[in-house]
Amino acid sequence: DIQMTQSPSSLSASVGDRVTITCQATQDISNYLNWYQQKPGKAPKLMIYDASNLATGVPSRFSGSGSGTDFSFTIISLQPEDIATYYCQQYDNLPRTFGQGTKVEIK
Amino acid sequence: QVQLQESGPGQVKPSQTLSLTCTVSGGSMTSDVYFWTWIRQHPGKGLEWIGYIYHGGTTFYNPSLRSRVSMSIDMSKNQVSLKLSSVTAADTAVYYCAREGVGLDVWGQGTTVIVSS
Repeated sequence: DIQMTQSPSSLSASVGDRVTITCQATQDISNYLNWYQQKPGKAPKLMIYDASNLATGVPSRFSGSGSGTDFSFTIISLQPEDIATYYCQQYDNLPRTFGQGTKVEIK
Repeated sequence: QVQLQESGPGQVKPSQTLSLTCTVSGGSMTSDVYFWTWIRQHPGKGLEWIGYIYHGGTTFYNPSLRSRVSMSIDMSKNQVSLKLSSVTAADTAVYYCAREGVGLDVWGQGTTVIVSS
């Protein structure tokens, strides 16, 4: 299985801050990488697909980049409604695998 | 707009079989573009991919669960089913069905299953 490692596991930032989460795969997955947002008690929501494409309806303050084994997810200007846990997921191989999640909180 | 809804018993006894259904509304399941996926989340933990099935009935299961998992699809009812046998307390989780198209782009709300006698 491809292991996905996210960093950090949690972070605290102020409203308006730039926030970046990284995700590293144990082997080359090209750009077959998605990012999800999960708010407490809710199902995850697709935010970014194919490493850098914004999913439908997702605000432009969210972005993704990377290819190969190293990826990043950025919130340009953190808003209170962005408080959530974010997961990366690879779909280059089966089984699909997720990172362990990054919990984003407001300072 | 496609919507997914999981249903099934909220509690299952140890050693029994967990059975869940995901009903798809607002769209067709016949396209081979989509994989109908089950994912679970243990309490306070991350996401675990269980497997998927697509309209021809082809499946792929996570090797960690393969010996206990089966999925089926009933396109006449627009439903996908999950069965997990010989459950233990470690199978207590929220179970989600989701559609994999471009990413897991549609999710059900999830259903909590507690394994307890």
